[in-house]
Amino acid sequence: DTGVSQDPRHKITKRGQNVTFRCDPISEHNRLYWYRQTLGQGPEFLTYFQNEAQLEKSRLLSDRFSAERPKGSFSTLEIQRTEQGDSAMYLCASSLGDSSYGYTFGSGTRLTVV
Amino acid sequence: GENVEQHPSTLSVQEGDSAVIKCTYSDSASNYFPWYKQELGKRPQLIIDIRSNVGEKKDQRIAVTLNKTAKHFSLHITETQPEDSAVYFCAATDSWGKLQFGAGTQVVVTP
Repeated sequence: DTGVSQDPRHKITKRGQNVTFRCDPISEHNRLYWYRQTLGQGPEFLTYFQNEAQLEKSRLLSDRFSAERPKGSFSTLEIQRTEQGDSAMYLCASSLGDSSYGYTFGSGTRLTVV
Repeated sequence: GENVEQHPSTLSVQEGDSAVIKCTYSDSASNYFPWYKQELGKRPQLIIDIRSNVGEKKDQRIAVTLNKTAKHFSLHITETQPEDSAVYFCAATDSWGKLQFGAGTQVVVTP
């Protein structure tokens, strides 16, 4: 296990298209988080899972965004009808237990909407 | 919810000098305060963290202090080197145990 993996690393899409990102957490980590980071800003929380349960969604997560973690392992984040304002780095992180200790980030997926 | 404020937004220091970054948080339930370093185009990397039952922690040239009463914590980098140049983020747990991040500090170390 080499850490948190995200795929793809980069995605360029036309406005209005749907995109899906994948995150594979560290295998023994039961918590998985999605963040969005724009240039010059800190990571902004989007949503997180404990095992397969989605426990919280930020108000930043509009109806066009959906995330799943069906088997409590990998997770997907889908954005429907992409807008230029969705262009950002989407970061996934995982941690063990119900605390944030050992929070580890993936390399991120950079989305560009043209 | 948790709100984390970070200052300054940019910090230029001469090589060998010290750098200090300060953060404040709002949620009194916060109990874990990590610091991350992010180089351009790379993922945030944990460099040091502190828990609420500790007031200070040091790891070589990096130290973090926590004042729970005042709800602020600071990162101190001594004897700065050019490779310390990066963006640094503070973070704090909210009542759900997830991290909320500050806006970041761009540190530039000039030789």
